[in-house]
Amino acid sequence: GAGVSQSPSNKVTEKGKDVELRCDPISGHTALYWYRQSLGQGLEFLIYFQGNSAPDKSGLPSDRFSAERTGGSVSTLTIQRTQQEDSAVYLCASSRGSYPSRDEQFFGPGTRLTVL
Amino acid sequence: TQLLEQSPQFLSIQEGENLTVYCNSSSVFSSLQWYRQEPGEGPVLLVTVVTGGEVKKLKRLTFQFGDARKDSSLHITAAQPGDTGLYLCAGARAGGTSYGKLTFGQGTILTVHP
Repeated sequence: GAGVSQSPSNKVTEKGKDVELRCDPISGHTALYWYRQSLGQGLEFLIYFQGNSAPDKSGLPSDRFSAERTGGSVSTLTIQRTQQEDSAVYLCASSRGSYPSRDEQFFGPGTRLTVL
Repeated sequence: TQLLEQSPQFLSIQEGENLTVYCNSSSVFSSLQWYRQEPGEGPVLLVTVVTGGEVKKLKRLTFQFGDARKDSSLHITAAQPGDTGLYLCAGARAGGTSYGKLTFGQGTILTVHP
């Protein structure tokens, strides 16, 4: 596909379970971002990958959250021991990475996570 | 700490009215972007402004970046029901460890009634 894809689109889990969210960025984009969005609110930055550089993890809310980006392409966001406050829409975005502070970020449709 | 204060949070108007959404900060940004998001979808970029005092127009939408690059506004003329959505401003800090990372405002939910 031409755009950013995310899977699953919806995930319902029980408190204490681990979840994995997947992001397939646009081919050739070197920058990849994860955000969290509560209902009707702005986006909370979680983590940023740029090429082969060490990721910027400064937005991860706790050590239960981690993310990987394999081969400079697909990324997985993992939440361990989920809590009810983790319920939100998790958005992934990618950009060309040529001028990170000005590049357009292309967003996926998000994964809606519900923790019961 | 919210670096970008966006207002108003909610806006409900009639078709044909004009409106302005504001995005304010005490921090300087190297660039500022405005996105629009519809339910069930990710945000889509409307415009990027990079120069203090810059004004960009996109049909009925006018975007302005403050002279000091700390604030921005989005003005919509003669709003239409198709303008309904969540509008988000996002600023990129200049350099350092924040390079490439966008800070988003809380968003403005706009509803335009026919």
